[in-house]
Amino acid sequence: GESVGLHLPTLSVQEGDNSIINCAYSNSASDYFIWYKQESGKGPQFIIDIRSNMDKRQGQRVTVLLNKTVKHLSLQIAATQPGDSAVYFCAEKKSNFGNEKLTFGTGTRLTIIP
Amino acid sequence: IAGITQAPTSQILAAGRRMTLRCTQDMRHNAMYWYRQDLGLGLRLIHYSNTAGTTGKGEVPDGYSVSRANTDDFPLTLASAVPSQTSVYFCASSPGTSINEQFFGPGTRLTVL
Repeated sequence: GESVGLHLPTLSVQEGDNSIINCAYSNSASDYFIWYKQESGKGPQFIIDIRSNMDKRQGQRVTVLLNKTVKHLSLQIAATQPGDSAVYFCAEKKSNFGNEKLTFGTGTRLTIIP
Repeated sequence: IAGITQAPTSQILAAGRRMTLRCTQDMRHNAMYWYRQDLGLGLRLIHYSNTAGTTGKGEVPDGYSVSRANTDDFPLTLASAVPSQTSVYFCASSPGTSINEQFFGPGTRLTVL
């Protein structure tokens, strides 16, 4: 899972296996959630999003699960590949009378072992 | 140009100097953003612009200023750099003013000594 601190949580997965990255969010009023992938030396890249009125959304090899009861978000990556090695972080969006605030997590470093 | 470009890629700057980080997008996106990314912290919003001619303060605006003279460019200026501004800076844009999907640039690594 994600946490604030100097060291990122890490997850090592064998190539071809599935991986699950977790994120605990803070605001129960958040209405939209996003997962980003950030490779070393690059900017964050959008992976998948989910609205608060959904509990699951699937993309290509990725699935996001949302559990609003415990304010938990997870990203599942199926059949991992070496190119999946990166830092993954979630973001939550809260809208308030037209004002939007996006809060980012600190990230989890995923390493795919060949 | 495809997407968002930032310049310079990296810079070492003496404290007290003025510095402008450049950001250009060619997607005709309305909204643009500047973030800083520090070890152990999530991305933090410095300033944003919902459309050309308007700007707003984000979470950590002190010591930074921005301008949005046109749709494509959104420069970030440090008027008098301090060591605490050492960070990686990312520019982002989104099609509308809703920040649902943001596209990020490659970043500028700034070191203030």
